[in-house]
Amino acid sequence: NAGVTQTPKFQVLKTGQSMTLQCAQDMNHNSMYWYRQDPGMGLRLIYYSASEGTTDKGEVPNGYNVSRLNKREFSLRLESAAPSQTSVYFCASSEAGVSPLHFGNGTRLTVT
Amino acid sequence: QKEVEQDPGPLSVPEGAIVSLNCTYSNSAFQYFMWYRQYSRKGPELLMYTYSSGNKEDGRFTAQVDKSSKYISLFIRDSQPSDSATYLCAMSNYGGSQGNLIFGKGTKLSVKP
Repeated sequence: NAGVTQTPKFQVLKTGQSMTLQCAQDMNHNSMYWYRQDPGMGLRLIYYSASEGTTDKGEVPNGYNVSRLNKREFSLRLESAAPSQTSVYFCASSEAGVSPLHFGNGTRLTVT
Repeated sequence: QKEVEQDPGPLSVPEGAIVSLNCTYSNSAFQYFMWYRQYSRKGPELLMYTYSSGNKEDGRFTAQVDKSSKYISLFIRDSQPSDSATYLCAMSNYGGSQGNLIFGKGTKLSVKP
C-alpha cells in the first residue's frame, strides 16, 4: 500500500521555468492538499481540493495553480518559478472534513 | 499573537527520559487536536489524534488537551533514539472548511543513546 506518492523527489529550476509536481493517493480519499514547508515557517497550505472537481485557495496560493485530475491525482503547477518558491512541497490526503492528513514524502524544489 | 505557538527547540534528552512537548493556541473554537512526527527528509506522519479535552494514551505516547488553558501536550515515556524527529502539533475547529488545519512550526527532538 503506497499511500501518497509524489514525483519528482528533487528538482532544480531556473527562474522563469515552469514545472508540475505530481501527487497520487491510493486510499480512496476525497480530499487532497498541497503544502509547502520552509525553515521557521512551518507547514503552509497552498491549495486544497475538498472533493473531485473542486479546488480552493489556501494560505499561500500566489504563483501556483492546481488541477484535481481525478479522485486519485492532484497536481501543483508553477508557471514561472521564482527563487521564493524554493521549498519542500508536500501533498496530503484525507477522507474528509477534519480527518487526519496522510502525507507524501515531499518534493524538494530549488529555484536558482 | 499567532494562532498556534510551538517552541522549536531543539530539545535534547538522554535515552529513557520522559519528554514533554507542548503547544498553545488562541482560537477557542479548536476541537480537533493532532500530533505528527516528521523524520528527516520524510513527510509528517500522524502520531495522535484527539477530540476536545482529555487524555489519550497509545503505548509510550500520551496526548493531553486542556481547552480551558488552550494548551496541548505530548508526553513520550522511556524515550528511544528512534524517537528523534520533529514533532508538529496541529488543530482544527469543527464544521470549518477543509483547509483549516493549523500547524505549529514543530519541535525538533534528539534522544541521545
